[in-house]
Amino acid sequence: DAKTTQPTSMDCAEGRAANLPCNHSTISGNEYVYWYRQIHSQGPQYIIHGLKNNETNEMASLIITEDRKSSTLILPHATLRDTAVYYCIVRARDTGRRALTFGSGTRLQVQP
Amino acid sequence: GAGVSQTPSNKVTEKGKYVELRCDPISGHTALYWYRQSLGQGPEFLIYFQGTGAADDSGLPNDRFFAVRPEGSVSTLKIQRTERGDSAVYLCASNSRGDGGELFFGEGSRLTVL
Repeated sequence: DAKTTQPTSMDCAEGRAANLPCNHSTISGNEYVYWYRQIHSQGPQYIIHGLKNNETNEMASLIITEDRKSSTLILPHATLRDTAVYYCIVRARDTGRRALTFGSGTRLQVQP
Repeated sequence: GAGVSQTPSNKVTEKGKYVELRCDPISGHTALYWYRQSLGQGPEFLIYFQGTGAADDSGLPNDRFFAVRPEGSVSTLKIQRTERGDSAVYLCASNSRGDGGELFFGEGSRLTVL
């Protein structure tokens, strides 16, 4: 699976959009981009995934660049409850190894 | 609720002891995953079950670690001769498709080895 690079930490003001970047310059054609988050003392929570088109669900939007070398997770109106570690993971859906590989993620602090 | 359930939530043991951690996945989920998370790190994959069989155990660190899922639902992670370095949060996840993408995680079992 391709390696990802994320900033170690970010701050965001409550009510503003949080834009979390992820670089995955070695991504290959069959690899999806997944985002998870982990609130303190809880297990990780799936947020969204995409291949090449932008995706949106009730939690967030995922914007993938045309060359697919980077992506951005957008939380449109961040709340204090969105304070968490956010993990960007790149993975092929048809891999023989059926488990996600987590990095260190971005620690997002939403400020009141 | 109907989420992934892990017990115990906290376990303190002494070096050299044997420990069992239990995971009850979401009903009907055929795929079950164990991860380990040390402080300040992301979760680290240990083992994956599809049904009753271990489809990928490449993440188990050594032969002190073993996991079973005899009836294809509940799984037990077993750690023999615990060491202080085994202290971590052990996370269990499940999903219905076994493609490893959209996982549902439990709250974890925090193991402390004194």
